[in-house]
Amino acid sequence: SQQGEEDPQALSIQEGENATMNCSYKTSINNLQWYRQNSGRGLVHLILIRSNEREKHSGRLRVTLDTSKKSSSLLITASRAADTASYFCATDGLAAGNKLTFGGGTRVLVKP
Amino acid sequence: GAVVSQHPSRVICKSGTSVKIECRSLDFQATTMFWYRQFPKQSLMLMATSNEGSKATYEQGVEKDKFLINHASLTLSTLTVTSAHPEDSSFYICSARDLGFSDEKLFFGSGTQLSVL
Repeated sequence: SQQGEEDPQALSIQEGENATMNCSYKTSINNLQWYRQNSGRGLVHLILIRSNEREKHSGRLRVTLDTSKKSSSLLITASRAADTASYFCATDGLAAGNKLTFGGGTRVLVKP
Repeated sequence: GAVVSQHPSRVICKSGTSVKIECRSLDFQATTMFWYRQFPKQSLMLMATSNEGSKATYEQGVEKDKFLINHASLTLSTLTVTSAHPEDSSFYICSARDLGFSDEKLFFGSGTQLSVL
């Protein structure tokens, strides 16, 4: 079963705007990761945040983690048309045996 | 970064035939690889964990006789969809971890779109 649920399922923004998506999960985790998938392609790792971290940055990406609420957010600042993709959170649960469980994904469309 | 190569990228086959999908780690060794299935606009569902030199571990509800996994070397895992039927049509993706990296991120193949007629 899916560990993470993502919100919104789809997001349409103009180039230059920020995009924010959220992920909620159910069980305790070692870390939470965000991946990006272009249509019909494999996934690319974006960023990993550990359970003892609260915020992490990588370029135009900002990830937060609130373990008390079992939720995470991914912010893409100053979006570009090339950011159009699906974004998935994935949790590495304490009891998951080194397996990642993916959320439902957010489809982001950045209009030029 | 580590590269995972997956072939073929797309395959169309007749119902009843078997299809083999290959997943190779090109510049690292992978004792474990993961096979996922993805339906359109949906998330990835883990099917099985492929272990080099031993039997694969299948997730609940995944038929091991239907989806044969072989991980004969440290750089190659194969998924064979046996006696494929239209309901097996899906996007299949493999992934692996490069243990040379300090974190636990996965490297993914580019996926295989299987269409069974």
